[in-house]
Amino acid sequence: DAGVIQSPRHEVTEMGQEVTLRCKPISGHDYLFWYRQTMMRGLELLIYFNNNVPIDDSGMPEDRFSAKMPNASFSTLKIQPSEPRDSAVYFCASGPMGQGGEKLFFGSGTQLSVL
Amino acid sequence: GEDVEQSLFLSVREGDSSVINCTYTDSSSTYLYWYKQEPGAGLQLLTYIFSNMDMKQDQRLTVLLNKKDKHLSLRIADTQTGDSAIYFCAEDMGRRALTFGSGTRLQVQP
Repeated sequence: DAGVIQSPRHEVTEMGQEVTLRCKPISGHDYLFWYRQTMMRGLELLIYFNNNVPIDDSGMPEDRFSAKMPNASFSTLKIQPSEPRDSAVYFCASGPMGQGGEKLFFGSGTQLSVL
Repeated sequence: GEDVEQSLFLSVREGDSSVINCTYTDSSSTYLYWYKQEPGAGLQLLTYIFSNMDMKQDQRLTVLLNKKDKHLSLRIADTQTGDSAIYFCAEDMGRRALTFGSGTRLQVQP
């Protein structure tokens, strides 16, 4: 398996533009997570899905952020309109159903810069 | 607030032991984890410990858990330059998603 695949790897955009980040989880994993990493705030959970259904989106900063998981092999995180304070590394992770102690497998992240 | 706390930086010499400490927040956490992040990469699971254990050893890694004080530590024996990375502790807080600490940057001097 190729692991969790995120695209693009880097995104540079101007304030006000729409940004879409993409994630392909590991096949067979039931859970998908979106995290954001910044120097100031560390790793923050934005939202996670179980079997394509959003379970907890309390970490989504505001209405400008939205996430979808239309099927088991694809998820998007959209920011519209983007702002400079959204600049961060966005990670997608997936994990299997289980009793506990399961790994989260992280993608390589998308480095977002909003100018 | 819900903050998993770690010291920011640790520098050791190659061959020495490294000890990275973490204070977590939620006694309902079932498992506690250590992840490693190398530059430009995502996080990788190093090891984890069930909350009713107080120690786990895995090759060069030793995890100690003090549940009373909500204190978790990671000891790396015979630290190598390849161990240089950021180390994150994490707790599950009784749910599937993990809450991560701020990370400790380990620098290994040759």
